[in-house]
Amino acid sequence: EPEVTQTPSHQVTQMGQEVILRCVPISNHLYFYWYRQILGQKVEFLVSFYNNEISEKSEIFDDQFSVERPDGSNFTLKIRSTKLEDSAMYFCASSEQGSDQPQHFGDGTRLSIL
Amino acid sequence: GEDVEQSLFLSVREGDSSVINCTYTDSSSTYLYWYKQEPGAGLQLLTYIFSNMDMKQDQRLTVLLNKKDKHLSLRIADTQTGDSAIYFCAEGNNAGNMLTFGGGTRLMVKP
Repeated sequence: EPEVTQTPSHQVTQMGQEVILRCVPISNHLYFYWYRQILGQKVEFLVSFYNNEISEKSEIFDDQFSVERPDGSNFTLKIRSTKLEDSAMYFCASSEQGSDQPQHFGDGTRLSIL
Repeated sequence: GEDVEQSLFLSVREGDSSVINCTYTDSSSTYLYWYKQEPGAGLQLLTYIFSNMDMKQDQRLTVLLNKKDKHLSLRIADTQTGDSAIYFCAEGNNAGNMLTFGGGTRLMVKP
């Protein structure tokens, strides 16, 4: 069964550095998403992406964050000037269409900011 | 804003049925989802139900939706030790593509 794949599985970064989290969505899917889960808290929506642009974003997704689909397969989340509170599990998801199709999630990238 | 709530913990014996409950506040929810998360793994889509349905059955899983009370439940029949995991309820609506998640219910299955 097709899967969403995320790399790396664990990223350790010094505070203030930039990180790029990578995702390969399911190949025929058109909508892409990033969520995060801070330890002990709920899974929170960050951003959705369709047709090479952001379709929706949450209050969390400020100027520190950006997303890109640099080629036909990858979908990336860039976090600039990382802070301690950016430490979380980041999940990528994709769906065939939008709100009427289920979102399939990857295994996540655990981001640890030191 | 939207809110989704779940109880934190459920313990059952192997072979019993498990019922995991969820309440939500957004009356415009169109789809409601159940995801399973095993230790160290991602969110595995288990099942989902459209808001105009009140029940969906898929093998050992039964989803019940009470739209009037905004209550969703997941019943797992003949619960196995491999069902031990965290189960997340999530709701989505036509206003956008984001899912709103509950905090997850940790299911422990005792042999």
